[in-house]
Amino acid sequence: DTGVSQDPRHKITKRGQNVTFRCDPISEHNRLYWYRQTLGQGPEFLTYFQNEAQLEKSRLLSDRFSAERPKGSFSTLEIQRTEQGDSAMYLCASSPTLGREGSYEQYFGPGTRLTVT
Amino acid sequence: DAKTTQPNSMESNEEEPVHLPCNHSTISGTDYIHWYRQLPSQGPEYVIHGLTSNVNNRMASLAIAEDRKSSTLILHRATLRDAAVYYCILADTGANSKLTFGKGITLSVRP
Repeated sequence: DTGVSQDPRHKITKRGQNVTFRCDPISEHNRLYWYRQTLGQGPEFLTYFQNEAQLEKSRLLSDRFSAERPKGSFSTLEIQRTEQGDSAMYLCASSPTLGREGSYEQYFGPGTRLTVT
Repeated sequence: DAKTTQPNSMESNEEEPVHLPCNHSTISGTDYIHWYRQLPSQGPEYVIHGLTSNVNNRMASLAIAEDRKSSTLILHRATLRDAAVYYCILADTGANSKLTFGKGITLSVRP
């Protein structure tokens, strides 16, 4: 297994366009997370899936953002009508169901860097 | 979410031990202490986590104070590859287990 992968690694788009990012988690992991990271800050939680169910969404996730995880495997994050403030690194992470009590380390992908011009 | 406090930055010499401190005075009984690090242009990487007892793994050691209000990540022998931002995070064993990152501590390693 090669870890969490994300595609594309970089995306440049014009304001107002729609973009979609893909995340492929580690195959046996049923939890999947999306985070956003701006320059000089730590990652911020956006949303979380347990299998195909989206169980929590941050207030950061405006109605222009939508995430899916059909069949509980890969996930997509779509941003509609992009704004310059959406420019950031979008990170995906996966983790297994709790094994040892309290154990839930997350494995992050390399991220997709979005630049909105 | 309970918050952590870390220094902004720290410098170390290569091949010397590094102790990265973290304060978490409002930690609750069900909060685990997690450490992640992020190398330049990469996603965060899990380092170690613990609840009450000190923990060791191949990457580092985690020393947890008896009252759990502080902890220290110990890199036994720093290498240039250890230069990164290190995040100390408290995470409950609740259902979502999301991570709440602060700004972390930037570790520089001098050759």
